[in-house]
Amino acid sequence: GDSVTQMEGPVTLSEEAFLTINCTYTATGYPSLFWYVQYPGEGLQLLLKATKADDKGSNKGFEATYRKETTSFHLEKGSVQVSDSAVYFCALSPYNQGGKLIFGQGTELSVKP
Amino acid sequence: KAGVTQTPRYLIKTRGQQVTLSCSPISGHRSVSWYQQTPGQGLQFLFEYFSETQRNKGNFPGRFSGRQFSNSRSEMNVSTLELGDSALYLCASSLKSGKDTQYFGPGTRLTVL
Repeated sequence: GDSVTQMEGPVTLSEEAFLTINCTYTATGYPSLFWYVQYPGEGLQLLLKATKADDKGSNKGFEATYRKETTSFHLEKGSVQVSDSAVYFCALSPYNQGGKLIFGQGTELSVKP
Repeated sequence: KAGVTQTPRYLIKTRGQQVTLSCSPISGHRSVSWYQQTPGQGLQFLFEYFSETQRNKGNFPGRFSGRQFSNSRSEMNVSTLELGDSALYLCASSLKSGKDTQYFGPGTRLTVL
């Protein structure tokens, strides 16, 4: 079945460092891909999404490109801030399965001043 | 617009009891999905409702059930609670089923003693 694999955390970076969180997926058909972020004690917030191959999603300095050839959707940010500390989830919406989302296990990011 | 609201935010129950959680979607949204989040299993899809009909269901036992009302509000019920049902239960709403962006509520933290 469809699945999502994320790099394991926790990831600890210094402020202004470059961030990459790897995400690969297995899916049939043409899924949509998402990155969600969860701050402590809160629900999930959509960070960005891409609905077809070669689409680039971007928001708040974060970017991810839907790569069908490598089945990847890596999250990147050029310069992280302390306020980016959170748990990041990669997710896919399987083809033809309505509103179901399949999530990766999450990557905890901690940014130190 | 008000976001997705979930009530109650925290709940403590004992084994064998049953519990009902409520979710009010964003105004105009007709699809509601439910997810269970635990440290061990991560985020897992429970079910999705659209226009009062269950559209999709995850791999959970029949003790987990849900429904949706004509105003799109949704409830999920867990009967005969087990210790392993302790989790954060998140609901998400979207305009319609399919690949629409899902907006999450803050969750209900259920503790089973």
